[in-house]
Amino acid sequence: EIVMTQSPATLSVSPGERATLSCRASQSVSSNLAWYQQKPGQAPRLLIYGASTRATGIPARFSGSGSGTEFTLTISSLQSEDFAVYYCQQYNNWPAFTFGPGTKVDIK
Amino acid sequence: QVQLVQSGAEVKKPGASVKVSCKASGYTFTGYYMHWVRQAPGQGLEWMGWINPNSGGTNYAQKFQGRVTMTRDTSISTAYMELSRLRSDDTAVYYCARVTWAVAISPIDYWGQGTLVTVSS
Repeated sequence: EIVMTQSPATLSVSPGERATLSCRASQSVSSNLAWYQQKPGQAPRLLIYGASTRATGIPARFSGSGSGTEFTLTISSLQSEDFAVYYCQQYNNWPAFTFGPGTKVDIK
Repeated sequence: QVQLVQSGAEVKKPGASVKVSCKASGYTFTGYYMHWVRQAPGQGLEWMGWINPNSGGTNYAQKFQGRVTMTRDTSISTAYMELSRLRSDDTAVYYCARVTWAVAISPIDYWGQGTLVTVSS
């Protein structure tokens, strides 16, 4: 089973600043990596798939990079609505999918 | 538009079973895998498994093998997740979630509203 880890667990950022979140897989997942955003009381929302492709309607300030085992989600200039928890998920290790433990982005 | 509407909250006693439904609309139900994901209070997302609504084939996370059963009724475009031998640590919000593309290897793009299952004596 592929284990996903994310760092940091919590990231404190001021509005307008850049946020960089990391995700690591215990073995290669190629580019089959997605990022999700979740706000309290809501279902997750797909942000990025294929490691770097923004999902429909996702603002350009969200970008993803990486392949293999190391991935990064960057939010170029944090807006108030971006404070949330972010999860990475691999969908390469068919038939099993796994999520990372999440990174909480909160207001500094 | 794609919609996944789940059944309402449940309260169960330890040792009981729960069956959560997920009614799909706005697309061809048999064309897309459906996953189930749960989230305990204050915790992260936990993938439970998937069902292929076309064939009925399933795959479960090892953690849930022997306790979870995923089924579907294509006549009413509804997927089901049944979890048995409930324990207090099964208390969580359970989500059904549809993949983005009509292939096996695909991210998840559409989510139900979630069903809170509380296990308490």
